[in-house]
Amino acid sequence: GAGVSQSPSNKVTEKGKDVELRCDPISGHTALYWYRQSLGQGLEFLIYFQGNSAPDKSGLPSDRFSAERTGGSVSTLTIQRTQQEDSAVYLCASRSGNYNEQFFGPGTRLTVL
Amino acid sequence: DQQVKQNSPSLSVQEGRISILNCDYTNSMFDYFLWYKKYPAEGPTFLISISSIKDKNEDGRFTVFLNKSAKHLSLHIVPSQPGDSAVYFCAALGYQGAQKLVFGQGTRLTINP
Repeated sequence: GAGVSQSPSNKVTEKGKDVELRCDPISGHTALYWYRQSLGQGLEFLIYFQGNSAPDKSGLPSDRFSAERTGGSVSTLTIQRTQQEDSAVYLCASRSGNYNEQFFGPGTRLTVL
Repeated sequence: DQQVKQNSPSLSVQEGRISILNCDYTNSMFDYFLWYKKYPAEGPTFLISISSIKDKNEDGRFTVFLNKSAKHLSLHIVPSQPGDSAVYFCAALGYQGAQKLVFGQGTRLTINP
């Protein structure tokens, strides 16, 4: 079946603009995660959605970052007033409720000029 | 506070030989560990995992060893193949039911023909 998909694959924006990144998880996966990988760094947790529970937002670096998951499926990560330090690859992952393994999408490379 | 550490940023191995990638963790509450492989411009791909109740898990050419007392795990790839050249991330899960992966910094493995 289809894996996790993300769009756009690349996004270049100017400092101060807002951006929206989209994630389509694997069908039937109840858990959805956002991570980011900055240049030369490991993957950093941002936010986690599980079913209808309140999301775990503990990894969001500032209040400029927000995410929502509509209908328990598609998720959008929004970054307002982007800064150059927001430049990174943003990765989405999903997981079936019965397993620990998370499956990642290809990522969105965000460049803030 | 780096809870999962991969101290070798890079590793070069001859084709056909064994590749050993190492990972250390500091939080004794982690109870599940995963290895991911990442090619450039792609998302991480799940490779193999191990629960803290085991000390070894094997899947084809890939074996993960866990030493809980030393808080150390390793991934063995044998025999190494050119297609194994990628960045390998160690990740940990657990404590208080948390489901967010904590990643190491990654090790770039290069298999030389």
